[in-house]
Amino acid sequence: QITLKESGPTLVKPTQTLTLTCSFSGFSLSTSGVGVGWIRQPPGKALEWLALIYWDDDKRYSPSLKSRLTITKDTSKNQVVLTMTNMDPVDTATYFCAQIGGFWSNYVYFDSWGQGTLVTVST
Amino acid sequence: DIQMTQSPSSLSASVGDRVTITCRASQSIGIYLNWYQQKPGKAPKVLIFSASSLKSGVPSRFSGSGSGTDFTLTINSLQPEDFATYYCQQSYTGHTFGQGTKLDIK
Repeated sequence: QITLKESGPTLVKPTQTLTLTCSFSGFSLSTSGVGVGWIRQPPGKALEWLALIYWDDDKRYSPSLKSRLTITKDTSKNQVVLTMTNMDPVDTATYFCAQIGGFWSNYVYFDSWGQGTLVTVST
Repeated sequence: DIQMTQSPSSLSASVGDRVTITCRASQSIGIYLNWYQQKPGKAPKVLIFSASSLKSGVPSRFSGSGSGTDFTLTINSLQPEDFATYYCQQSYTGHTFGQGTKLDIK
């Protein structure tokens, strides 16, 4: 059974750096073809992809947010960490992590998702 | 960046109806198109991948079609549990989601 769970602060101040951790079980990020991504959703709004990391440490970022994002993995802990710098109130959102599916067919999709964690940016 | 535009933004339908949601990409994306269902307070769930492949465990009343820039999600014989918000997502270059289509009960 695959499970993912996001953790991190619920409240951050403007200009601060956000660090979120995705802890997962049921798969390993050392296995070929495995990847974990981050997606966010502002309240009442659409989903927005942020970043993705693969088993071979290949990293992909949303072009519009690339300068503010860093994604890393700790294979031994079964964790993926996302940092986002210079937080702003518009970054208030629920942040999800998700395991990808379809890598070997080349048609990647977000398969198993965490429950999400709400991060509010406010003074 | 590739932009994804869904239509309509909202849709009212009745149990038993057949509904179609459209997704248009700003450039050709082949069949690198996925569909998700999201219910309030929950994470999205993948329904269709590579434009027309039904994810294991998803009811066969859901189907997807299209290629290039124009795609559709069709739900035949709507069930009460199908009222939700639906998103398309391209994986041709990066991963861009559409703005969503909210399907509610008429």
